[in-house]
Amino acid sequence: GESVGLHLPTLSVQEGDNSIINCAYSNSASDYFIWYKQESGKGPQFIIDIRSNMDKRQGQRVTVLLNKTVKHLSLQIAATQPGDSAVYFCAEASGYSTLTFGKGTMLLVSP
Amino acid sequence: ETGVTQTPRHLVMGMTNKKSLKCEQHLGHNAMYWYKQSAKKPLELMFVYNFKEQTENNSVPSRFSPECPNSSHLFLHLHTLQPEDSALYLCASSLRTGDNEKLFFGSGTQLSVL
Repeated sequence: GESVGLHLPTLSVQEGDNSIINCAYSNSASDYFIWYKQESGKGPQFIIDIRSNMDKRQGQRVTVLLNKTVKHLSLQIAATQPGDSAVYFCAEASGYSTLTFGKGTMLLVSP
Repeated sequence: ETGVTQTPRHLVMGMTNKKSLKCEQHLGHNAMYWYKQSAKKPLELMFVYNFKEQTENNSVPSRFSPECPNSSHLFLHLHTLQPEDSALYLCASSLRTGDNEKLFFGSGTQLSVL
């Protein structure tokens, strides 16, 4: 579930822990998914993407998992660092459509 | 830096003012976008330009007028705005090859309408 501003879902973790941020989508035709990170005062920054012909994709310290059966997407961050503190957005698209964004989850990492 | 530059970073305007937001991308992309980011809402797509041609207008009020003189520059002209138009306006670009692709965002213009 997601919302922004005063009601933004928040995940609080300790430095060094692994973080998992979840995203549910509703369009079963969506075939492209992407995660963005937005730090305060900045625009969204690309983290990792995945297409519907894959279940898992790994980047540097991040892994995206896609479960098409339940229409669920997750972002795993290994060994979370204070610099990972930000709002994380998932986005989806189908065919040639432009990305549709979720509302975001705030990740707070304490030292 | 993402290669997408937006100016100004902050803008305060009255409801009767006319102002313009500017975006420039240095990535060689062929598509540019305007998004609105308000508190308590997801990113809202406003306009899409592909090779300088407007391909999407997401039912945006006419007080917002986009202009795309070339594939590297995008403007958003503002006039007679309302206080509820206060938000972060984000520009993005992408290399549109026909299939889905990732967007590269600027840092946004934080707009306050008094």
